[in-house]
Amino acid sequence: DAKTTQPNSMESNEEEPVHLPCNHSTISGTDYIHWYRQLPSQGPEYVIHGLTSNVNNRMASLAIAEDRKSSTLILHRATLRDAAVYYCILRDQSAGGTSYGKLTFGQGTILTVHP
Amino acid sequence: DAGVTQSPTHLIKTRGQQVTLRCSPKSGHDTVSWYQQALGQGPQFIFQYYEEEERQRGNFPDRFSGHQFPNYSSELNVNALLLGDSALYLCASSLLGGGNTEAFFGQGTRLTVV
Repeated sequence: DAKTTQPNSMESNEEEPVHLPCNHSTISGTDYIHWYRQLPSQGPEYVIHGLTSNVNNRMASLAIAEDRKSSTLILHRATLRDAAVYYCILRDQSAGGTSYGKLTFGQGTILTVHP
Repeated sequence: DAGVTQSPTHLIKTRGQQVTLRCSPKSGHDTVSWYQQALGQGPQFIFQYYEEEERQRGNFPDRFSGHQFPNYSSELNVNALLLGDSALYLCASSLLGGGNTEAFFGQGTRLTVV
């Protein structure tokens, strides 16, 4: 499985933007970049995913480097409810075009949001 | 939509016993995966079911087994429980497809082995 590298922790102030980096230098052409987050005492929650182009949804934006070896999850205005562990995961498209859903989690980035 | 539901939410078992955990996937989803999350660690993939068959398996012993039913719901069974099996067990559902699909997780079952 392709691996990702994330900082152990980051801090932000409420209502400020947050940029969470992820390095994935061994990414293959068929890997999608996924982000999940896990709030305390809850299961992981899907945030966003992309392949090559930048992506936006109601929760966040995903900026993908041109060479795809790194990406950044952007929370435009952090709130206290965004305090969580954020996981960057590569999900493979291969195996005959079928992915059976395996997600390989690392340690993630612990995001602390200050009032 | 109820999302992914797991039962029970908490469970205490004695070492050596057997346990069954249950998962109902999000409506419309046909693929179910199970994860084990030890305290302070990221979730670790146990196995994944599609069309009632185990399709992928992580590095877990045969004491961990599962089942998927025709309605796509799933069970995780753990035999001969060890103290080290104490963890949060998470179920995730998704549509079968490539990397371009998202997984939805339940709230998990907290298993404590004493």
